[in-house]
Amino acid sequence: EPEVTQTPSHQVTQMGQEVILRCVPISNHLYFYWYRQILGQKVEFLVSFYNNEISEKSEIFDDQFSVERPDGSNFTLKIRSTKLEDSAMYFCASSDGTARAEAFFGQGTRLTVV
Amino acid sequence: AQSVTQLGSHVSVSEGPLVLLRCNYSSSVPPYLFWYVQYPNQGLQLLLKYTTGATLVKGINGFEAEFKKSETSFHLTKPSAHMSDAAEYFCAVSDPYNNNDMRFGAGTRLTVKP
Repeated sequence: EPEVTQTPSHQVTQMGQEVILRCVPISNHLYFYWYRQILGQKVEFLVSFYNNEISEKSEIFDDQFSVERPDGSNFTLKIRSTKLEDSAMYFCASSDGTARAEAFFGQGTRLTVV
Repeated sequence: AQSVTQLGSHVSVSEGPLVLLRCNYSSSVPPYLFWYVQYPNQGLQLLLKYTTGATLVKGINGFEAEFKKSETSFHLTKPSAHMSDAAEYFCAVSDPYNNNDMRFGAGTRLTVKP
């Protein structure tokens, strides 16, 4: 069964460093998403991406964040200068955009900023 | 804007009786509604979804949910709780006219006692 793959599963970084979280969405999907879940809290929408551009972003997705689809398979989330409060589980998701579409989620990347 | 409210951040049941997890939504358009389950240190797994058609939807692991427009609810039920059902459950709403961006509830942690 096709699945969304995220790497790495866990990343530790120092405050102020740049991190890139990687995702390989399901191959025929057209819509891509990033969500964040701070430990013990709700899953929060960050950004959606379609047709090589951001279609919607939340207030969390400030100038420190960027997304990119550098090739035909990867979808990345970059945090330019990490802060302690960026520590969270980051989930990538994709959907095919059809009327009954659901988003398929990856297993997540746990980001720890120290 | 769409939103979801999950009543009860923690529900504890004994093995055997009915499980009921509550979800109410707010949406300006006919929504798509979802329930996801998250086991410890894992990603999000879709339990079931409502898009159109039959308002009682059945999902995996014996769960079902009923879309009630008049009550703006999408409560999750299971006739008989099992130890393996212990997990975090998230209700989510998406706007099918807006990239299917999802908004999640705060989650309900289900504990099942032997």
